[in-house]
Amino acid sequence: GDSVTQMEGPVTLSEEAFLTINCTYTATGYPSLFWYVQYPGEGLQLLLKATKADDKGSNKGFEATYRKETTSFHLEKGSVQVSDSAVYFCALNGGTSYGKLTFGQGTILTVHP
Amino acid sequence: DAEITQSPRHKITETGRQVTLACHQTWNHNNMFWYRQDLGHGLRLIHYSYGVQDTNKGEVSDGYSVSRSNTEDLPLTLESAASSQTSVYFCASSPQGSNVLTFGAGSRLTVL
Repeated sequence: GDSVTQMEGPVTLSEEAFLTINCTYTATGYPSLFWYVQYPGEGLQLLLKATKADDKGSNKGFEATYRKETTSFHLEKGSVQVSDSAVYFCALNGGTSYGKLTFGQGTILTVHP
Repeated sequence: DAEITQSPRHKITETGRQVTLACHQTWNHNNMFWYRQDLGHGLRLIHYSYGVQDTNKGEVSDGYSVSRSNTEDLPLTLESAASSQTSVYFCASSPQGSNVLTFGAGSRLTVL
């Protein structure tokens, strides 16, 4: 079945540092890929998405590129802020049923001033 | 503004009791989902619905049920709560044909 593996956390960075959170996936079809973010005490929010190979999703300075050859969708940001502290989830939809997402285990990011 | 609301936000119950978590959305979305969030597991799908009178089992549906009598609501019922069902539960919705989910704020359930 479909699965998503995220780098183990937590990740702790200083403000303005470069961020990478690794995500790899296994899927039988042609999945759509997502990054969701969860701020403390809140539900998940869509951060960015990509629906086909080589697509780049971007939002709020975050980027991720759909790499079919390496089955990866790594999240990057050039300069993190304290306000980026949150839990980040990589997810996929395998293409057979709308809205059914398979999530990774989440990566906790803490950014210090 | 459209929203998706969950209630209660926090609940403590005892083993064996029936519990219902409410989810109400005003987005007029056809699709609604229930996920549970556990440390080390991310979110796992419990049940989902693509419209009124439609319900489907997800990955971890044992011990849970849902019903969809209107577009706005998808209540989640735990027939006989177990300690293994202690978790944070998220309701989500999406338009027909979309994979982009809008999530509620979550309901934290503790089963003692």
